Amino acid sequence: AQSVTQPDIHITVSEGASLELRCNYSYGATPYLFWYVQSPGQGLQLLLKYFSGDTLVQGIKGFEAEFKRSQSSFNLRKPSVHWSDAAEYFCAVGPNAGNMLTFGGGTRLMVKP
Amino acid sequence: ETGVTQSPTHLIKTRGQQVTLRCSSQSGHNTVSWYQQALGQGPQFIFQYYREEENGRGNFPPRFSGLQFPNYSSELNVNALELDDSALYLCASSTGTAPGNTIYFGEGSWLTVV
Repeated sequence: AQSVTQPDIHITVSEGASLELRCNYSYGATPYLFWYVQSPGQGLQLLLKYFSGDTLVQGIKGFEAEFKRSQSSFNLRKPSVHWSDAAEYFCAVGPNAGNMLTFGGGTRLMVKP
Repeated sequence: ETGVTQSPTHLIKTRGQQVTLRCSSQSGHNTVSWYQQALGQGPQFIFQYYREEENGRGNFPPRFSGLQFPNYSSELNVNALELDDSALYLCASSTGTAPGNTIYFGEGSWLTVV
């Protein structure tokens, strides 16, 4: 069965500092990987996705993620965090069809001024 | 703006009652799925509908059921509500089941069961 682990429940960084959110997955085939962001009281917004090709994926809002098959990881990064990035971040893995995603438990990001 | 609209945004029900949550997707979005997100957790897949037929289901009991209509709207029905059903219910839609399709989420319906 597929699963996603986000080891960090909470992360606090200073505004302007770099950020890395960890994601490890378990999936029997080639995974389709996603990062979503959820602001309080909001739905999920797609930051980026990986299906194939270049293992470094660029997303919106200056985020990027790197797929590492050998480590079963898909970590999200941003070089300089803005206060507006404070939110909950979810990593997800999907099958080769449809909207049937398996989500991790999320990482809550707090940004210090 | 994702083009996915859910209603109601908040509601309170009593244990044992039934609830219907609604979702309106963009034109052409023939694939819709529903997720349950308990407080402090990630969303969990409930089921998916493609062209008005259920074609995938997560680990949820039969009292969770759904419908998808030709006008790209859908419903999630939950019977015999339990306290643990209290959660944010998210609707997600896309233009098909191919992995390249972007999945759009609504802002959810908050259900509280007392």
